[in-house]
Amino acid sequence: GAGVSQTPSNKVTEKGKYVELRCDPISGHTALYWYRQSLGQGPEFLIYFQGTGAADDSGLPNDRFFAVRPEGSVSTLKIQRTERGDSAVYLCASSLLGGRMAGELFFGEGSRLTVL
Amino acid sequence: KQEVTQIPAALSVPEGENLVLNCSFTDSAIYNLQWFRQDPGKGLTSLLLIQSSQREQTSGRLNASLDKSSGRSTLYIAASQPGDSATYLCAAQYNFNKFYFGSGTKLNVKP
Repeated sequence: GAGVSQTPSNKVTEKGKYVELRCDPISGHTALYWYRQSLGQGPEFLIYFQGTGAADDSGLPNDRFFAVRPEGSVSTLKIQRTERGDSAVYLCASSLLGGRMAGELFFGEGSRLTVL
Repeated sequence: KQEVTQIPAALSVPEGENLVLNCSFTDSAIYNLQWFRQDPGKGLTSLLLIQSSQREQTSGRLNASLDKSSGRSTLYIAASQPGDSATYLCAAQYNFNKFYFGSGTKLNVKP
């Protein structure tokens, strides 16, 4: 696609429920990133994919969070047993290359998650 | 842990003024420094990318500079317009893949 696409744009769920957030990166971009942004703060790194593999998942806060990118394109961020503290905007970004030559990051509009 | 700081947190200027936004980072071994714009409720839009070997980049009324030795980058906006009102974020790339973001400067340009 022309840009990074994220769905849903808004998700309201109850504490304890399971949530999936989807990211469709720019066509041909090999690197994909998930970030989380709380109100008034800059985005915080969650996980980075190079192709199909999670090259760095050190930003995932705990084992309730998991992400996949099975075919090296679309990625899904999965959150189990959601907690109120998970409420934030989840941003996806892609870049043409990864590593040191990552170049420009291009972001989607984000998925706003609210856990009641 | 790498830290990125942006000062001021908020800035209000009259239309037409030239202004400078500041970004500082603790580790000078960065790969790239990227500036973004974020409108309320929206994602981040890339403005300028400065690679570690470069000192500045320009796009239209925007000019970004990078001084690795002092750990600083500045974003210069010439002849500001109300449409420039947004939050501006800088991000420093380290460790091959991680981009560390500042908390942003919220800019308001008054007509």
